[in-house]
Amino acid sequence: QVQLVESGGGLVKPGGSLRLSCAASGFTFSDYYMSWIRQAPGKGLEWVSYISSSGSTIYYADSVKGRFTISRDNAKNSLYLQMNSLRAEDTAVYYCARQEVGLVFDIWGQGTMVTVSS
Amino acid sequence: SSELTQDPAVSVALGQTVRITCQGDSLRSYYASWYQQKPGQAPVLVIYGKNNRPSGIPDRFSGSSSGNTASLTITGAQAEDEADYYCNSRDSSGNHAVFGGGTQLTVL
Repeated sequence: QVQLVESGGGLVKPGGSLRLSCAASGFTFSDYYMSWIRQAPGKGLEWVSYISSSGSTIYYADSVKGRFTISRDNAKNSLYLQMNSLRAEDTAVYYCARQEVGLVFDIWGQGTMVTVSS
Repeated sequence: SSELTQDPAVSVALGQTVRITCQGDSLRSYYASWYQQKPGQAPVLVIYGKNNRPSGIPDRFSGSSSGNTASLTITGAQAEDEADYYCNSRDSSGNHAVFGGGTQLTVL
């Protein structure tokens, strides 16, 4: 079945780094744009970044631009998010999502929690 | 601040019809999508495009749009529809996704 599984979350100190991974299965990963979306505890959804199917087009939310880097490895059916210079306000559940035309997110992973705290 | 605005909370009696709205200038140019999120779970897409439902979504869920407002309508709300609902679309640049702040739906 179509599935996305995130990993790599955890507790990190302010200013630290973390790399999230998302393993895709059940569909042709290389055909789809992919996004990272986050949700702070008790808050709403916030889109973070997306990457085109080939990796040639990338966009970031202003809140993470210059600190986060999205990438993908189509041979490994995997999506990544490198997070540097982490701040307390980056604390959230991070979801990877498959993206359809129109920035529609039709498949979501279960999420991985990132906590930034000293 | 979010470029899409939703009412924070809405309630509906069991079996009745409820409309959840989402307002934003970008909705004049782009369709909204709608997501249902239950506590401790990932969001689930329920409506996208003009009024399309993914496979497995009950037909009591429907979408519409007029001007700068998109709406999600649940006709005959069920207890299992109690959840948070989020709209999303593109921002004014067209290159970034944006979500509404979410609406907590209570089924009485």
